[in-house]
Formats: sequence, structure tokens, C-alpha cells
Amino acid sequence: QQQVKQSPQSLIVQKGGIPIINCAYENTAFDYFPWYQQFPGKGPALLIAIRPDVSEKKEGRFTISFNKSAKQFSLHIMDSQPGDSATYFCAASKTGGYQKVTFGTGTKLQVIP
Amino acid sequence: EAGVAQSPRYKIIEKRQSVAFWCNPISGHATLYWYQQILGQGPKLLIQFQNNGVVDDSQLPKDRFSAERLKGVDSTLKIQPAKLEDSAVYLCASSLYEITNEKLFFGSGTQLSVL
Repeated sequence: QQQVKQSPQSLIVQKGGIPIINCAYENTAFDYFPWYQQFPGKGPALLIAIRPDVSEKKEGRFTISFNKSAKQFSLHIMDSQPGDSATYFCAASKTGGYQKVTFGTGTKLQVIP
Repeated sequence: EAGVAQSPRYKIIEKRQSVAFWCNPISGHATLYWYQQILGQGPKLLIQFQNNGVVDDSQLPKDRFSAERLKGVDSTLKIQPAKLEDSAVYLCASSLYEITNEKLFFGSGTQLSVL
């Protein structure tokens, strides 16, 4: 019940395209859903996060869409750039206690110039 | 603001040897995490500290892994003896809030190769 399933495993898009990465969770107690971006040789860095009281959140070119009833959330990258090439991880946790952050398996994104 | 510091950056050992990793979290961060990231997978939590105390070590292979956080600041993670399947990147992270698991700040990790 702690799993977070992420797809696709890899994604190649042209510059300017809109890659979409999807995640699904099982534990309905999760109430915080961050996305992390990881470049080779670096640790993951928080990109954007959402709570289930909203259905969408935008920060710059990055948008999270959240569907509470389906227990799914997704990351959209508008006007993707070669510099966005990285591995993206969705995650989920339950705030208010010492609950661990559960990560998805990651999506390796390549944006071709 | 200084980030999470980890050392060494790389380590190559033979199976059955021991190895230790060090982490210095961001100043003032009460919570410290050690994650294991196997190639092609997401980070898996090994152990979580709240100040000096352990709050979650359910996925730590305690027969070979150990960790401590002295004085609620620096932490070390040790593997003894190492197995081939321990080859991974070991990530240390810290967070500011005591109760919530909001923003995690990660170090660059230690890449361990067990031959």
C-alpha cells in the first residue's frame, strides 16, 4: 500500500514538446505529492509539489495535475528545453508524523534540440 | 546556504569488506535521511533520524548496515560486510520541519561499487 507507480520509464521529446509523466498511488492517507528532478551525478532536487485539496498547480513551465478519485497525478513540462533532460521522480508522503517519503521508479527524459 | 555534504564521492570495495559514508546536513535541519538508489530505480529509504533518534529503520538490513547521528548533526552509514547487491548510490537528505516531510534537500551521494 506504500507503492507509487510511475510511467513511462523513459521519454524522448523534441524541443518545445510537452512531456507528460504519470504516477499512481494506493495509500489514500498520502497528502503530499512532490516531484523531484535529478541530473546525472547529483542528488534529486524538489521541483514542484501539490496537496490533494487542489487539482492543478503551476510553477513556471512545470504543471502538476492531480486526480484524487483516481489516485493519480502527473507532471507536464511546457515548452520543454534540452536543459530539462534529467530523471524525474514522483513521490508521496503523509504529513503530520514521521512518515517516510515513498518515491516512484523514475522517468528518464531526453529533450532533443 | 550550504547544501548537504557527503563523502566520499566514490568508493570501490571488494565483497565482504566494510565501508562507511559520512553526511553533514544543512545547519538547523532536524531530520536526516539515508536513501539507497540502485541504478534505474527510485531512492529507497534506509533510515530516518529525528535529531539523535531513529524514527524509521524498517528497511535497513540491520545484519550488515548500521547508522548513527551524533549530537543530532552529522551522520555515518556503515556497511559490514558488503555484498555485491549493495552496489548503489547512497544519498543523504535533510529537512527542516520536525513533523512534516516537506522539502527534502539531497546531497550528491556516494557511489558504491562492490566487486
